[in-house]
Amino acid sequence: GAVVSQHPSWVICKSGTSVKIECRSLDFQATTMFWYRQFPKQSLMLMATSNEGSKATYEQGVEKDKFLINHASLTLSTLTVTSAHPEDSSFYICSAHSGGRENEKLFFGSGTQLSVL
Amino acid sequence: QKEVEQDPGPLSVPEGAIVSLNCTYSNSAFQYFMWYRQYSRKGPELLMYTYSSGNKEDGRFTAQVDKSSKYISLFIRDSQPSDSATYLCARKKNRDDKIIFGKGTRLHILP
Repeated sequence: GAVVSQHPSWVICKSGTSVKIECRSLDFQATTMFWYRQFPKQSLMLMATSNEGSKATYEQGVEKDKFLINHASLTLSTLTVTSAHPEDSSFYICSAHSGGRENEKLFFGSGTQLSVL
Repeated sequence: QKEVEQDPGPLSVPEGAIVSLNCTYSNSAFQYFMWYRQYSRKGPELLMYTYSSGNKEDGRFTAQVDKSSKYISLFIRDSQPSDSATYLCARKKNRDDKIIFGKGTRLHILP
């Protein structure tokens, strides 16, 4: 099946710094990628939809200036957590589908555990 | 009101048993239903997806949707220790709608 690579797997940073997470589709072109956040024992919450070549669409309550998304190519989307604070500590997961209307066939990255000290 | 309810577990069953995982939902507009498996600190993996009511079988897995009672189920036959994971039910209203996930049920298969 299709592979989505997410990097890094773990990141620990100091409060106030920025962290960039990369999401790559390795064997298909992803016109749309999705970014989720998952707190312990909680569900995946959609943060934003990343569209290649255009601005991302953010879900209600997600600060677009804090969570910067760049989808500059058909195989790469990045999420930058700016001025991270301890409350931003979470598991961030990206996903992508190769197009078409069956977006239930999402392929997920392996996730990034962010810990802000 | 929560759109989807899923018992978080943990659910522990002996190896070889049949596992039944369930979700209920409140919005009758949902048409597409999915089950994902998520291992610890990994991204979810799609197991099954169904449209509207009915059953769908794939190997040891059977997904069942009962729209009249707004109830969806995943059955796992001949459960294996490798089935130990968190199972997320998910649904959406139409093909272009965003996917809404349940909180997941943690399953432990005891060898």
